[in-house]
Amino acid sequence: AQKITQTQPGMFVQEKEAVTLDCTYDTSDPSYGLFWYKQPSSGEMIFLIYQGSYDQQNATEGRYSLNFQKARKSANLVISASQLGDSAMYFCAMREAYNTDKLIFGTGTRLQVFP
Amino acid sequence: ETGVTQTPRHLVMGMTNKKSLKCEQHLGHNAMYWYKQSAKKPLELMFVYNFKEQTENNSVPSRFSPECPNSSHLFLHLHTLQPEDSALYLCASSHKLAGVGQVGETQYFGPGTRLLVL
Repeated sequence: AQKITQTQPGMFVQEKEAVTLDCTYDTSDPSYGLFWYKQPSSGEMIFLIYQGSYDQQNATEGRYSLNFQKARKSANLVISASQLGDSAMYFCAMREAYNTDKLIFGTGTRLQVFP
Repeated sequence: ETGVTQTPRHLVMGMTNKKSLKCEQHLGHNAMYWYKQSAKKPLELMFVYNFKEQTENNSVPSRFSPECPNSSHLFLHLHTLQPEDSALYLCASSHKLAGVGQVGETQYFGPGTRLLVL
């Protein structure tokens, strides 16, 4: 079974609108971390936001927030007030406590922001 | 230089060539990673080095040979590659506390090397 599932291969959003990128995960480890990365066409993976499995509050970083629903095993990324520069691939990733060297990535969602 | 740098950014090589990819991190981290990103596939972890020691080899063919001379530098030596090895190769680094990883440990990536094997 896939550990990280991103069901949206592509998303469109108008500038200044909010958009939600979906991510579900599968683990039996009670301790894990969830990450979102942005990959522009230049190739570099840019770290955006982190949520720990024991964190009580949903993570926020500027315009990025993580809608963490532990019981549903989902960790959706919400980008508010989209900007043209947000157009990129977005990857959800997970690290489990039993193997902290391994960051497991999803297949990504391509976000396109239009004027 | 800041962050994680990789050279070259683009590489075209024949199947009989030998080349090396270089990664350097300027973040004071003690763990470094090689990933492979092929089209339409999730990022695949290839190798992990903690404090210069290799701690993970994710069943990578021997035509890929990593080298980590110190905590700041990581190389990937390539020889007799196949066309299916064409991909974006990403290097990352992170800070491990006392050699033990934590779930919240963040990996920071370089810009990658786009490799084409002819």
